[in-house]
Amino acid sequence: DSGVTQTPKHLITATGQRVTLRCSPRSGDLSVYWYQQSLDQGLQFLIHYYNGEERAKGNILERFSAQQFPDLHSELNLSSLELGDSALYFCASSVEGLAGDYEQYFGPGTRLTVT
Amino acid sequence: DQQVKQNSPSLSVQEGRISILNCDYTNSMFDYFLWYKKYPAEGPTFLISISSIKDKNEDGRFTVFLNKSAKHLSLHIVPSQPGDSAVYFCAASDTGAGSYQLTFGKGTKLSVIP
Repeated sequence: DSGVTQTPKHLITATGQRVTLRCSPRSGDLSVYWYQQSLDQGLQFLIHYYNGEERAKGNILERFSAQQFPDLHSELNLSSLELGDSALYFCASSVEGLAGDYEQYFGPGTRLTVT
Repeated sequence: DQQVKQNSPSLSVQEGRISILNCDYTNSMFDYFLWYKKYPAEGPTFLISISSIKDKNEDGRFTVFLNKSAKHLSLHIVPSQPGDSAVYFCAASDTGAGSYQLTFGKGTKLSVIP
């Protein structure tokens, strides 16, 4: 158990809909990263938040957005869903480089299926 | 443009023997490298990491070697056990970029045969 929790575990929705994925980082970790794993693209970085502020964006679509709240949990919002958005979505947390540690610890993921 | 490549999609090894998983990268700004292990329906689990100031790091049965001039790293598992059967991902980070986001390879599926 990495200490990172994600809900829901599975989500099935229709095209055009909007969903929210939730992530709680490990206790004490200020950074949350979101990644998407699809069959053909592997694990791809979406967005990084540190202590409530956006730090970096990767290959994140404009239909997707995220935020990190004062209690450090994070939500990834996916809107106007398309079939191609079906994937596993992982969040990871990190202590953010203290003592040179850059390891990220991953949650169990949310499997999104768009029908 | 794939910046981290794992050219072997799969690898089979006998129990007790050495497993060697390879990874190549193209971005010379990467200075921190990690290996993750992933079982189906679970998130990646951190295994071992190495900074570019080192060429070797060991943790129990796992050793990672880094050859910066060749932009190549490898993960050695000795001895291999059936429980090591999983998909292994190599990842890299440019720690000077302000965000320690990871760039992943596409993974190598390791099967350890009893």
